[in-house]
Amino acid sequence: EVQLLESGGGLVQPGGSLRLSCAASGFILNNNAMSWVRQAPGKGLEWVSLISSSGVGTYYADSVKDRFTISRDNSKNTLYLQMNSLRVEDTAVYYCAKTSGYYDYWGQGTLVTVSS
Amino acid sequence: EIVLTQSPGTLSLSPGERATLSCRASQSVTSNYLAWYQQKPGQAPRLLIYGASGRATGIPDRFSGSGSGTDFTLTISRLEPEDFAVYYCQQYSSSPRTFGQGTKVEIK
Repeated sequence: EVQLLESGGGLVQPGGSLRLSCAASGFILNNNAMSWVRQAPGKGLEWVSLISSSGVGTYYADSVKDRFTISRDNSKNTLYLQMNSLRVEDTAVYYCAKTSGYYDYWGQGTLVTVSS
Repeated sequence: EIVLTQSPGTLSLSPGERATLSCRASQSVTSNYLAWYQQKPGQAPRLLIYGASGRATGIPDRFSGSGSGTDFTLTISRLEPEDFAVYYCQQYSSSPRTFGQGTKVEIK
């Protein structure tokens, strides 16, 4: 059974940093593209970042480019999102999702709150 | 960037009724790379439809998708109590991947 479990969210001040983790089970992470998708409170879904199945390609939404970094540790079957220079507008639930173009499996999400 | 516009914003229906949700793209979605998701309060989205009309694993056959080019439709043939939720469309034919703003299906 495919499972994704995010962690690492919390309250951080503007300009701060957080690293989100997504532990995968039931499939091999490095055989699959993976994404982060976020949802601001009461709002819709926004794609944030993707890492290709090979791990060579990484892609970012313009809103997070040069501030966020996606990566993975194949030995731990875990996906990461390093978030730097956080802004109030980055406040959201962050989901990791197994990606086949569409998002076929989602984690339960982790809440990131950026506030002073 | 492909902008997806969903209509209506809210659909008020009774259990047993038919629901028809629309997703219109600002430019053609090639290869029908269009997906639909269901999201209930406090839960992650769940994949319903991919490739405009393919049902994901475990999705009941009362859910169906259709359309091509710029106009797509999600139909729920007979609403069950558990179907009242927010529905999103998403295109994966070009980058960045984008979502519609959602349609809420509520109990009338």
